[in-house]
Amino acid sequence: TQLLEQSPQFLSIQEGENLTVYCNSSSVFSSLQWYRQEPGEGPVLLVTVVTGGEVKKLKRLTFQFGDARKDSSLHITAAQPGDTGLYLCAGANSGNTPLVFGKGTRLSVIA
Amino acid sequence: KAGVTQTPRYLIKTRGQQVTLSCSPISGHRSVSWYQQTPGQGLQFLFEYFSETQRNKGNFPGRFSGRQFSNSRSEMNVSTLELGDSALYLCASSLASGGRSETQYFGPGTRLLVL
Repeated sequence: TQLLEQSPQFLSIQEGENLTVYCNSSSVFSSLQWYRQEPGEGPVLLVTVVTGGEVKKLKRLTFQFGDARKDSSLHITAAQPGDTGLYLCAGANSGNTPLVFGKGTRLSVIA
Repeated sequence: KAGVTQTPRYLIKTRGQQVTLSCSPISGHRSVSWYQQTPGQGLQFLFEYFSETQRNKGNFPGRFSGRQFSNSRSEMNVSTLELGDSALYLCASSLASGGRSETQYFGPGTRLLVL
């Protein structure tokens, strides 16, 4: 069974601070997706990383896929209250197998 | 384009009852997946339907079942409800063109409370 471990589970920071959340596995994935879920809503895809070592930037968010395609990180620069939410990583394999989700990091950014 | 819709949004049931949840995918999407989300276990995959056929199934008991109609709309049913079935049930649709890196679009979920 493939597992994705996300850390930290909870993070509460002040507006303007930087943070990094991690998504780790002992298994290799063909790609990895990051979602953000806000209260009362379903997860929304932020980014998909496919190549080992790949770095993608989405405004103040930087996503990195590990060289061995077993882990990923999400770095947020100058966090804002609007970044508050549950951040989920999900690993994908080739073929029609289901996504494997981590349990998420719940981020709270205080103004 | 309208997003994924799920009905009802909230539901309260008692133990032993059964429940049916509905999901309408984005127009043109052929794959519908169902997930159960709880604080302790996170997002857990229930099953996926593609062209009216169950293509993948997660590790849930047979009380959990689903189906997909010819218009891609999907329903899931939980029989003999237990307290532990209280959760947010999420539906996600995708084009299912073949690549697993394609985007899954989630609905807002149905929050089920079993008393």
